[in-house]
Amino acid sequence: DQQVKQNSPSLSVQEGRISILNCDYTNSMFDYFLWYKKYPAEGPTFLISISSIKDKNEDGRFTVFLNKSAKHLSLHIVPSQPGDSAVYFCAASVSYNTDKLIFGTGTRLQVFP
Amino acid sequence: EAGVAQSPRYKIIEKRQSVAFWCNPISGHATLYWYQQILGQGPKLLIQFQNNGVVDDSQLPKDRFSAERLKGVDSTLKIQPAKLEDSAVYLCASSLGVIKNTEAFFGQGTRLTVV
Repeated sequence: DQQVKQNSPSLSVQEGRISILNCDYTNSMFDYFLWYKKYPAEGPTFLISISSIKDKNEDGRFTVFLNKSAKHLSLHIVPSQPGDSAVYFCAASVSYNTDKLIFGTGTRLQVFP
Repeated sequence: EAGVAQSPRYKIIEKRQSVAFWCNPISGHATLYWYQQILGQGPKLLIQFQNNGVVDDSQLPKDRFSAERLKGVDSTLKIQPAKLEDSAVYLCASSLGVIKNTEAFFGQGTRLTVV
């Protein structure tokens, strides 16, 4: 049972354009969401998070949007840069329980010049 | 600030052998996680410690996997005996854990190949 889904395994975007990575979840108890970025041969690194009391969180070129009614969140990267090429994982947790993170399967983003 | 340290980086063993991985979390982080990431999939939580107590090990194959976190700091994850399907990257992560909704910091992982 995949509670966190990233239905696009890969995405290719031109440098300078917007990258939009999508994530859907099924567990309505999730109330905290995170995006992690992973380069080859490295562990995932935290990128940005959002609590369910918000619908948007912005940090520089990265913005995460949360639509609770649709159980959907997205990560926008504007403008995209070649260094953003990596695998992006969406993760979710239930704050009243533990900090256990449930990860999606990841989306490989490639930003080309 | 030093990050999460893991060793070894790579390990190749034959099936039915045993293997152990080591993790040193970020200083002061109460929560430690072990994740298994199979190629093409997202990380899957195997076990979560709060200090030296187990919080969640519901997805740990206890017939072959074991983990401990003595003194609430370093942790080891052991597989005995290994199976071919255990080939994966094993990621250790830590978080403050005393405040909810804090991000986890990951180590570089140990890539295990079982042949």
